[in-house]
Amino acid sequence: AQSVTQPDIHITVSEGASLELRCNYSYGATPYLFWYVQSPGQGLQLLLKYFSGDTLVQGIKGFEAEFKRSQSSFNLRKPSVHWSDAAEYFCAVVDTGGGNKLTFGTGTQLKVEL
Amino acid sequence: DTAVSQTPKYLVTQMGNDKSIKCEQNLGHDTMYWYKQDSKKFLKIMFSYNNKELIINETVPNRFSPKSPDKAHLNLHINSLELGDSAVYFCASSILGRGELFFGEGSRLTVL
Repeated sequence: AQSVTQPDIHITVSEGASLELRCNYSYGATPYLFWYVQSPGQGLQLLLKYFSGDTLVQGIKGFEAEFKRSQSSFNLRKPSVHWSDAAEYFCAVVDTGGGNKLTFGTGTQLKVEL
Repeated sequence: DTAVSQTPKYLVTQMGNDKSIKCEQNLGHDTMYWYKQDSKKFLKIMFSYNNKELIINETVPNRFSPKSPDKAHLNLHINSLELGDSAVYFCASSILGRGELFFGEGSRLTVL
């Protein structure tokens, strides 16, 4: 069964600093990978996705992620964080052969210091 | 025009009661899901329907009964509510095989 690990429960960065959120996955085949963001009291919004092709994917709000098969990783990055980026970030992997079952990591809470 | 909408957004009820949450999507997707987010923000799939057929049924107490009258609607009925059912329930939809899920804003259930 697929699984996702987000090693960092909380991360605090200063506004304007760079950000990297870690994600490691376990999946037998080529994974479909996602990053979602959840602002307080809100639903989940898709930031970006990786299906195949270019291993560096661009998303909304200036985020990008790099798929590294050798490391089973899909880390999320942003060169300069804004205070409005404070939220919960979830990495996820989908089992397209299993009813599109999306398995989430435990999430990383990002705090931004002004 | 909301793509995936859930009602109600907030639900406060007593233990032992029965309650329902409704979900509708206007994206033309063929698959819908219920996810539960607990107090630690952990998201876990509960059920999924494809064209009204149940395709994912995780280990969920049988007090939870999903129903999909058509591919645009998915409801969740919960009998005999317990304290541990307090959570945020998210509805989502997708095209089967396409991977990407679109989520509603969630329904926060509080059982007292």
